[in-house]
Amino acid sequence: AQTVTQSQPEMSVQEAETVTLSCTYDTSENNYYLFWYKQPPSRQMILVIRQEAYKQQNATENRFSVNFQKAAKSFSLKISDSQLGDTAMYFCAFMKHRVTGGGNKLTFGTGTQLKVEL
Amino acid sequence: DAGVTQSPTHLIKTRGQQVTLRCSPKSGHDTVSWYQQALGQGPQFIFQYYEEEERQRGNFPDRFSGHQFPNYSSELNVNALLLGDSALYLCASSLATSGGIVRETQYFGPGTRLLVL
Repeated sequence: AQTVTQSQPEMSVQEAETVTLSCTYDTSENNYYLFWYKQPPSRQMILVIRQEAYKQQNATENRFSVNFQKAAKSFSLKISDSQLGDTAMYFCAFMKHRVTGGGNKLTFGTGTQLKVEL
Repeated sequence: DAGVTQSPTHLIKTRGQQVTLRCSPKSGHDTVSWYQQALGQGPQFIFQYYEEEERQRGNFPDRFSGHQFPNYSSELNVNALLLGDSALYLCASSLATSGGIVRETQYFGPGTRLLVL
């Protein structure tokens, strides 16, 4: 079974600064996907960024980028130029790559509450 | 482009009652997954439906059941409600490739907040 660990329950950052959220995971799989989802107070789960394990290049989406270290099973999220609207709970999630028919599921960490302050 | 929709948004039930939650997937998607998110926790996978069949199930009792309709919409049913069933129930949709392999990205609806008294 896969597990996802987010060791930072809460973090805060000043507006326009950079912050990094940590995530580690445990799996025996070689091919998989990793995600960061954002959940603001509205509790709508929003996809931030995804990473395919077979890709060495780190994914980037505008101000959001990841540092994917496959050997260390680490998947951190860096938010640059933080904005007030980035205030939310951030979840790291894991999904196995399935090569045969069948379903698949996301396994989530416990989340990091990020607060962006003026 | 219609996103994932869920109904109702809020629901209050008493112990022992039964509840049905509904989900319509994002336009073009054919696979629906359900998650339970207790307060302060990450979402936990309940089950996933594709081609009107349950394709994968998480560690939830048989009181939790579901259905997928030919138009890909889905229902989550919970019988004999317990206080511990109080949670946000999230529906996510995705698109299966040929052979039913689920594409990796799941898009979530706004959730249904269930309170069991």
